[in-house]
Amino acid sequence: GENVEQHPSTLSVQEGDSAVIKCTYSDSASNYFPWYKQELGKGPQLIIDIRSNVGEKKDQRIAVTLNKTAKHFSLHITETQPEDSAVYFCAASTETGGFKTIFGAGTRLFVKA
Amino acid sequence: GAVVSQHPSWVICKSGTSVKIECRSLDFQATTMFWYRQFPKQSLMLMATSNEGSKATYEQGVEKDKFLINHASLTLSTLTVTSAHPEDSSFYICSARDNRGAGTEAFFGQGTRLTVV
Repeated sequence: GENVEQHPSTLSVQEGDSAVIKCTYSDSASNYFPWYKQELGKGPQLIIDIRSNVGEKKDQRIAVTLNKTAKHFSLHITETQPEDSAVYFCAASTETGGFKTIFGAGTRLFVKA
Repeated sequence: GAVVSQHPSWVICKSGTSVKIECRSLDFQATTMFWYRQFPKQSLMLMATSNEGSKATYEQGVEKDKFLINHASLTLSTLTVTSAHPEDSSFYICSARDNRGAGTEAFFGQGTRLTVV
């Protein structure tokens, strides 16, 4: 089955700096890659997603890149703010698998003011 | 985005009792619902996938007789933890999607924190 690896597990940045989180996946059939932000005691919230026919997508301060050949995808947050502090999860899903979503281990992001 | 409501948000139960968690899609029809379990400071682990009107498909290592899943309608799925024990204490999260549309996004509930004492 699908396996998603995520790095780093913890990331601390200064307010205003950029943060990058990287993930790799194992199933070449995966074709949908969402990123979630989870705050303490809450369910995950989708912040951006990318499909396999696209290499890059941007939404204001958040961007995601996908390299299908290498099976890598990354989340980039620019101009970080303290409210960006949370746990971020990458995920991969496959249409043939009924779109069940397999999550990475998560990255705890701390943005210091 | 679409709204998925999970109830209750937290529950405390005695060891040996059963607990039911509800997951509702409020403004769309959920042909597929997923149930996840999350231990503190860990990732979400998929427990099972349920399609409306069909039996749930459980992931390896998940006991189907202990975690009963019902998806009888397009807007409601339930997870029942039977004969709960302290090791079942966890954060349970559901997600739902409509397979009939072009979108692939699954929408998540807010989670249920189960504590078994």
